[in-house]
Amino acid sequence: DTEVTQTPKHLVMGMTNKKSLKCEQHMGHRAMYWYKQKAKKPPELMFVYSYEKLSINESVPSRFSPECPNSSLLNLHLHALQPEDSALYLCASSTRPNQPQHFGDGTRLSIL
Amino acid sequence: GQSLEQPSEVTAVEGAIVQINCTYQTSGFYGLSWYQQHDGGAPTFLSYNALDGLEETGRFSSFLSRSDSYGYLLLQELQMKDSASYFCAVFKGGSSNTGKLIFGQGTTLQVKP
Repeated sequence: DTEVTQTPKHLVMGMTNKKSLKCEQHMGHRAMYWYKQKAKKPPELMFVYSYEKLSINESVPSRFSPECPNSSLLNLHLHALQPEDSALYLCASSTRPNQPQHFGDGTRLSIL
Repeated sequence: GQSLEQPSEVTAVEGAIVQINCTYQTSGFYGLSWYQQHDGGAPTFLSYNALDGLEETGRFSSFLSRSDSYGYLLLQELQMKDSASYFCAVFKGGSSNTGKLIFGQGTTLQVKP
């Protein structure tokens, strides 16, 4: 169990579906992140939120849309994904961007 | 640019000591972190060195030399459960409130009986 909670743990969706990944932390961290990870590879940064504002978008396709409703919650909205988007999606948080990050267990996403 | 180099694989036996090295090139260095990830699991934070020297946490220790742009993770009294991937990571950014974590490619540690 981790202090960063992600739901769902597994998600299978078609290319025309719309779904959302959710992430929650109650550690008072002010930086939150979305990563994508393929097998045998390091996590690949997608987005960084610092104090609830988007500070980094790593040129992620617009079919991925992040949202930070408040300091504890982070969402990733998915629409019209491609099969190559199948991966483990990790949420993380830290007290500040330059501090160690705590990861959630991830959502394993499969696109049919 | 920035880059991190670490060995791709390391094998050791139970009870042994293993050292995983990491060299880095980056600007705006704020510290070196280590993460462990078991197959099918999420990365878990192990240690963080912002200053030169050795940090010890139980069986794990981490070392940093900023002048050499080098660090290592030392695992002692290896156990089978230590078989996992280990990532070094550095923070790249213009300030403590902006920037991102850059991960190495990871070292797969296999512990044998």
